[in-house]
Amino acid sequence: QKEVEQDPGPLSVPEGAIVSLNCTYSNSAFQYFMWYRQYSRKGPELLMYTYSSGNKEDGRFTAQVDKSSKYISLFIRDSQPSDSATYLCAMSGDFGTGTSLTVIP
Amino acid sequence: DGGITQSPKYLFRKEGQNVTLSCEQNLNHDAMYWYRQDPGQGLRLIYYSQIVNDFQKGDIAEGYSVSREKKESFPLTVTSAQKNPTAFYLCASSYSSMNTEAFFGQGTRLTVV
Repeated sequence: QKEVEQDPGPLSVPEGAIVSLNCTYSNSAFQYFMWYRQYSRKGPELLMYTYSSGNKEDGRFTAQVDKSSKYISLFIRDSQPSDSATYLCAMSGDFGTGTSLTVIP
Repeated sequence: DGGITQSPKYLFRKEGQNVTLSCEQNLNHDAMYWYRQDPGQGLRLIYYSQIVNDFQKGDIAEGYSVSREKKESFPLTVTSAQKNPTAFYLCASSYSSMNTEAFFGQGTRLTVV
């Protein structure tokens, strides 16, 4: 069983929608939680980096960590077509499979 | 510009041949990594190196080899022993460990023909 589980989608939403992306994990030792965005045929780029439980906001993006439930989320507000990409969660070097998101104009 | 460069972007290999993928970084990072990405499987760690002249196997090291003779360079050789080498290969680097931000290259798409 993988230590990091992520629904691969695909997820398709209209422009302006709020998007929720989620991951669960099994290793309670994980302390660092990251979200990467990967456009097609490109390398991933770091989007959000959090340590410990709670919320972290950066523009339209909010990362949420719930250590008690071993659950992390990434919320995208006012989604744009340029947000169309694959989003990967990562914890201490272990990556989820990625969720493919398409934002329809 | 600082960054991490992979080359070539596309690579074709005949069965039975070894090929080497290049990865160079000018970020002064100690740690470097190689991942393989297949559809529906996310990123799987092949090898990583936390310091020059030292490297460790990841989850799927069989059929691959690496070297770390210079801090800036971490080439990956895909040997003929790798049974299913067609994939997208990503190199990454970070300041110390994967608990810090990782910077990825743009990837090499390897196809066995």
